[in-house]
Amino acid sequence: EIVMTQSPATLSVSPGERATLSCRASQSVSSNLAWYQQKPGQAPRLLIFGASTRATGIPARFGGSGSGTEFTLTISSLQSEDFAVYYCQQYNNWPRTFGQGTKVEIK
Amino acid sequence: EVQLLESGGGLVQPGGSLRLSCAASGFTFSNYAMGWVRQAPGKGLECVSAISGGGGSTYYADSVKGRFIISRDSSKNTLYLQMSSLRAEDTAVYYCAKAPYSSSPDWFDSWGQGTLVTVSS
Repeated sequence: EIVMTQSPATLSVSPGERATLSCRASQSVSSNLAWYQQKPGQAPRLLIFGASTRATGIPARFGGSGSGTEFTLTISSLQSEDFAVYYCQQYNNWPRTFGQGTKVEIK
Repeated sequence: EVQLLESGGGLVQPGGSLRLSCAASGFTFSNYAMGWVRQAPGKGLECVSAISGGGGSTYYADSVKGRFIISRDSSKNTLYLQMSSLRAEDTAVYYCAKAPYSSSPDWFDSWGQGTLVTVSS
């Protein structure tokens, strides 16, 4: 099973600032990586697939990069609605596995 | 608009069984792989099972293999998860999720609101 490790566990950021979230895979997943956003009491929402392709309706301030074992989600200028938990997920192998999440909170 | 509506959750005793359903609408159900992703209280996400669009391929996490069965009925546009020999660690919100393609459950582009399964005596 591929283990996905996200860092940091919590990121404190002021509105308008840039947030950088990391995700590392225990073995190469090529570009087969997705990112999701989850707010309290809600289902996850797809942000990014293919490591860098934004899903339909996702604002351009969300950007993904990386390949192999190292990936990054960047939120260029945090808006109030962006404070949430973010998960990465690999789909290179079964079982599909998620990172443990990074909580982005207001500083 | 894609809609996924889960049902069937509830309180069940350890060792018991439960069947979850997910009614799908807004897309051609048989053209897409589907999956079940669960989230224990205060924890992260775990993909426990998935099925191809035609139903010919099924996938299970080791944690549920031999206890859970995923199936789909395209005539009813419904996805199922039959859960048996339930354990306390199966307690979670179970989400139904749609994959982008028929053959392989890659990422999940639409999610239901979830149904809570509680395993407790």
